[in-house]
Parts: sequence; C-alpha cells; structure tokens
Amino acid sequence: NAGVTQTPKFQVLKTGQSMTLQCAQDMNHNSMYWYRQDPGMGLRLIYYSASEGTTDKGEVPNGYNVSRLNKREFSLRLESAAPSQTSVYFCASSPVPGDYNEQFFGPGTRLTVL
Amino acid sequence: AQKITQTQPGMFVQEKEAVTLDCTYDTSDQSYGLFWYKQPSSGEMIFLIYQGSYDEQNATEGRYSLNFQKARKSANLVISASQLGDSAMYFCAMREGGSPGTSYGKLTFGQGTILTVHP
Repeated sequence: NAGVTQTPKFQVLKTGQSMTLQCAQDMNHNSMYWYRQDPGMGLRLIYYSASEGTTDKGEVPNGYNVSRLNKREFSLRLESAAPSQTSVYFCASSPVPGDYNEQFFGPGTRLTVL
Repeated sequence: AQKITQTQPGMFVQEKEAVTLDCTYDTSDQSYGLFWYKQPSSGEMIFLIYQGSYDEQNATEGRYSLNFQKARKSANLVISASQLGDSAMYFCAMREGGSPGTSYGKLTFGQGTILTVHP
C-alpha cells in the first residue's frame, strides 16, 4: 500500500499561472482533505470531501477549487496563483466517519509562487 | 478565538527524560476528538495518539500518553524516555462533532511546539 500520494513534490509558479495538485489514496477511505501549512504555522483546512461526489469549503477556500474525481482521487486547483498561496500543501484521507478518524497524510507539495 | 492553543513555541529536554507538551482547546460540542501529530524536519505528518471526548481513561501509545483533563479543556502530550529522534514539531489537533459525513473528520490544528532533545 502506498497510502496517500501527492504530485508534484515541488512546484514553482509565476503569479497568475494555474496548476493542479494531485492526490490519491489506496486505502479505500471515504473522506479526503486538503490542508495548507504556512511557515511556523499549523495546518489549515482548504477543502474537504466527506464522501465521493461531495465537496465542502474549509477554513481558507478562497483562490482554490477541488474535484473529487473518484473515491481514490482528490485534486486541488489554483486558477490564478498568488504569492500568498506560497505554502506546503498536504492531502489527507480518513475512513468512514466515526468516532475515531485518524487522518493519513501525504508527503506534501511545496509550492512557491513568485 | 483560537480553538487549539499550544503555548510553548519551543521546548528542550534531555535525552531519556520525560517532557510534557501543552495543548488547550475550545469547543462547545460534547463529542469531539483530540489528536497529536509529529512533524519531523523531513516534513511528513505522523499520527501519534488519539483521545475521544467520551474516553474515561487517558490514551497511551508506547512512550506517548495523553493527559486529558476535560473540565480544564486540556490535552497535554507526555513523552517518556525522550530519544534524539523525538526532536520535531508537534501539533495538537481537534475534530469537533457533527453530522456524520459533514463535519466529522475535519481537523483544526494548533500552531505547534518544536521539541529539541539534547544528548
């Protein structure tokens, strides 16, 4: 099992460019999440998908869109990148909602917007 | 108001000693969960321990234990017998209760505590 995988690992964009961060999990988890981590900070939720076919905004959704392509894949799109979106992006997944929802994290994508 | 507060930006401990990392939380929900994650310098997020709001006993996982004081809304992480490999950033996080499939699973993180273990 690969767990949660993310591509790319690193990316440099110019202001105004667009890109899609890819995330996939092979644990048959229902729920998937996108977080961002700014330097010296904790993670903040951007968007999440409680189950296939549903997506909802988290704490910091502005400037992002998401697609839950199927149960395995959850992508994050930056339509017009801004320097404020320079961050490390983590994808996570968790099984059927219940009392114990450990989230399994991917290795992260380090994004720099110039 | 911050939902998760970690008041110690940095902590130092001698190898083989115990250390407590503080975490206080704020929620009006009766059902919630508290998590601790470790983030080494390599950047990955490693799950350490979980405590449910209805759990009567403090959670333990090997050298990690969670000192859960519900009335004080605190969920401190205790690491016993510190090792050099424990040097990392540690995050406390909370999942608040709600309708299954909606708010379940969303985590709110504190700002983290950097732990340095000295030989």
